[in-house]
Amino acid sequence: TQLLEQSPQFLSIQEGENLTVYCNSSSVFSSLQWYRQEPGEGPVLLVTVVTGGEVKKLKRLTFQFGDARKDSSLHITAAQPGDTGLYLCAGISGTYKYIFGTGTRLKVLA
Amino acid sequence: GAGVSQSPSNKVTEKGKDVELRCDPISGHTALYWYRQSLGQGLEFLIYFQGNSAPDKSGLPSDRFSAERTGGSVSTLTIQRTQQEDSAVYLCASSFLRLAGGSIAKNIQYFGAGTRLSVL
Repeated sequence: TQLLEQSPQFLSIQEGENLTVYCNSSSVFSSLQWYRQEPGEGPVLLVTVVTGGEVKKLKRLTFQFGDARKDSSLHITAAQPGDTGLYLCAGISGTYKYIFGTGTRLKVLA
Repeated sequence: GAGVSQSPSNKVTEKGKDVELRCDPISGHTALYWYRQSLGQGLEFLIYFQGNSAPDKSGLPSDRFSAERTGGSVSTLTIQRTQQEDSAVYLCASSFLRLAGGSIAKNIQYFGAGTRLSVL
């Protein structure tokens, strides 16, 4: 069974602080996605990383795919209250299947 | 509508009753997924449709769960004889994914807002 463990599970920080969320697996994935989910809504795709070692930046968010394509990280610089939400990683397995991580709940205090 | 629509948004039922959850995907999307999410945690894969067929039902927790998709569009997830452990948010997602050609890495799943099921 493929599992994706995220850490930390919960994170509460002050506005302006930096943070990193980790997504780890013992399995290799062809690519990996990160989503953000707000209460009462479905997850929304933030980014897809495809190549081992790939780094993508989306404004204050930096995503990295591990060299072995088993892990990924999400770094947020100068967090803002609008970044609050549930962050989910999802590994892509085969041609259609998404294996979601356990989730990291982030709260950014003003 | 422009997005994925799920109904009802909330469902409260008594243990032992059957429930039907509905998903209206984005028009033209060939792939449809059902997931289950417990207590704001990660998503658990339930079933995948490509058109009207379901090549992967491996995530359905028991034979009380079934799903169908008609006309390559609307899908219903049915839970028979509901149990308290079935309480969760059930999410539907659709995408343009096609098995032949293309790359799933370029695929974007669009999610509905989910149905929150509470079994008393």
